[in-house]
Amino acid sequence: AQKVTQAQTEISVVEKEDVTLDCVYETRDTTYYLFWYKQPPSGELVFLIRRNSFDEQNEISGRYSWNFQKSTSSFNFTITASQVVDSAVYFCALSEATGNQFYFGTGTSLTVIP
Amino acid sequence: SQTIHQWPATLVQPVGSPLSLECTVEGTSNPNLYWYRQAAGRGLQLLFYSVGIGQISSEVPQNLSASRPQDRQFILSSKKLLLSDSGFYLCAWSHPLTGNTEAFFGQGTRLTVV
Repeated sequence: AQKVTQAQTEISVVEKEDVTLDCVYETRDTTYYLFWYKQPPSGELVFLIRRNSFDEQNEISGRYSWNFQKSTSSFNFTITASQVVDSAVYFCALSEATGNQFYFGTGTSLTVIP
Repeated sequence: SQTIHQWPATLVQPVGSPLSLECTVEGTSNPNLYWYRQAAGRGLQLLFYSVGIGQISSEVPQNLSASRPQDRQFILSSKKLLLSDSGFYLCAWSHPLTGNTEAFFGQGTRLTVV
């Protein structure tokens, strides 16, 4: 069965600090997809990144970076030099090979203190 | 480009009243469609998903039902609302057959049952 665990419920950092959000997943599929979403106070979930199971290359997009490690079944998200606008709830998710279902973690609430 | 519309944005309904939330997608054909609920706290609960017209998969037995009368229309309904139906309802679409394995979400409907 698929499962996504985000052990960090809430994190607070001071502006300009780096912060890493952890995500651990479980699946028996050899092909799967991993995602990160941001949910600002407005409520809409904003798609940030997708990773395919066969592509372990890490990715950097501006202040955001993602570390995918199949050996530890982790897909961690790092925000460098955090800003107040980064305050949101962040969700990690997994979908199986068909892509028909998504399994979300319980989310990590990030607060960036000015 | 694809867009997803969900309405209404907020809704206050008395216990025992019916419910109808509508979601439409533009700019794509034959998408997968999803209804999620987010109760107080943060977890996303998958309620229904559909891979085609008239094809509905229910993930959680409950007081709600879903229908897909047209390819890009997904409706969430209830005959009699319960207090426990309060929450934030999110519609989403994906299209794994065309490579869009990520889900894109609407802006959500905040339902309060009183």
